[in-house]
Amino acid sequence: QQQVKQSPQSLIVQKGGISIINCAYENTAFDYFPWYQQFPGKGPALLIAIRPDVSEKKEGRFTISFNKSAKQFSLHIMDSQPGDSATYFCAARGAGTASKLTFGTGTRLQVTL
Amino acid sequence: GAVVSQHPSRVICKSGTSVKIECRSLDFQATTMFWYRQFPKQSLMLMATSNEGSKATYEQGVEKDKFLINHASLTLSTLTVTSAHPEDSSFYICSARDLAGGDEQYFGPGTRLTVT
Repeated sequence: QQQVKQSPQSLIVQKGGISIINCAYENTAFDYFPWYQQFPGKGPALLIAIRPDVSEKKEGRFTISFNKSAKQFSLHIMDSQPGDSATYFCAARGAGTASKLTFGTGTRLQVTL
Repeated sequence: GAVVSQHPSRVICKSGTSVKIECRSLDFQATTMFWYRQFPKQSLMLMATSNEGSKATYEQGVEKDKFLINHASLTLSTLTVTSAHPEDSSFYICSARDLAGGDEQYFGPGTRLTVT
């Protein structure tokens, strides 16, 4: 019940295209859903996050779509650029300051010229 | 945004020795810090949750006597890998949440440990 399932495992998108990564969860106690970007040899960095009271959040080229009834959320990267090539992790967390993030398995995105 | 630092960024040690990794929140206070390890091309695996002034809470399967965690202050947590072996070679990442609140969990840049 603590798992967060992420797909696809890897993704190749042409420059200017839309990258879409999907995640699904089971635990209805999760109330915070962040997406992280990680470059090789670096720590993860928060891209964008959403709470379940909204269905969509957009920040620049990055959009989270959230479907509470389906227990799914996705990251859309518009106008994908080669600099977006990285590994993306979705995560989920319940309430409380000591609550743990549960991470998805990651998606390796490659944006080609 | 808030910054979490780790030191060292890379360390190579011989099998059987101990290695200490420091994690600092530079511009905020963190009641809770988290330690993760990450193997190549895999996700982050939570090792333990570190609370200032109290014992760390370890995840199932993580040896608390091997991975010693000390959260000595609101800005510093340390992870000591004792009697390190080659299988402990990994990327160790710490993370912290701001005591003042907010959702975001800030991650350090990671420490690459290689045990020879």
